[in-house]
Amino acid sequence: GAGVSQSPSNKVTEKGKDVELRCDPISGHTALYWYRQSLGQGLEFLIYFQGNSAPDKSGLPSDRFSAERTGGSVSTLTIQRTQQEDSAVYLCASSLVGSGRAMRNEQFFGPGTRLTVL
Amino acid sequence: GQQLNQSPQSMFIQEGEDVSMNCTSSSIFNTWLWYKQDPGEGPVLLIALYKAGELTSNGRLTAQFGITRKDSFLNISASIPSDVGIYFCAGLRETSGSRLTFGEGTQLTVNP
Repeated sequence: GAGVSQSPSNKVTEKGKDVELRCDPISGHTALYWYRQSLGQGLEFLIYFQGNSAPDKSGLPSDRFSAERTGGSVSTLTIQRTQQEDSAVYLCASSLVGSGRAMRNEQFFGPGTRLTVL
Repeated sequence: GQQLNQSPQSMFIQEGEDVSMNCTSSSIFNTWLWYKQDPGEGPVLLIALYKAGELTSNGRLTAQFGITRKDSFLNISASIPSDVGIYFCAGLRETSGSRLTFGEGTQLTVNP
């Protein structure tokens, strides 16, 4: 597609419920990232997928958070038993290639999903 | 946690003025990226820098990758009302894989 797309754009849920957020990266991009942005803050890295390699999950804040990427394209971020502190904008980004000193890593972001946990 | 110190946190300027913001860190970065975020949108990439000392322009925007690899600045010349938004620096360290570290943003307001 022309850009990174995310759905839903807004999600309101009750504390304790599970939510799934979806990301469609730019076609042909092998790397996909999830970030979280709390109100008025910068972006916090959550997880990174690169091709068929094991994902870098080092940014996930708790075991309630998980993500998968199917077929090397679409990704789903799942938050189980949501808490009020999970309320934030969840942003997905993709890049053509992953890390490496000789590689370019220009990450392009989707519009985000605004999650509100009541 | 955040390892990039971005300043200023906010700026209020008149249309036509030039603007400068910067990011510093105690760590070395091998890539610096500058993004702009409008309300309700994701960040949009403005400029990417890959070499120490590199100076890159994109229209009225100019950014530099500091010689020490620990800092970067972004200049906007002759500001216009549509420059309003939040500007973020982001850095990539060799030791952190592909995870970008973001500054906390500079909120820019341009008065016509």
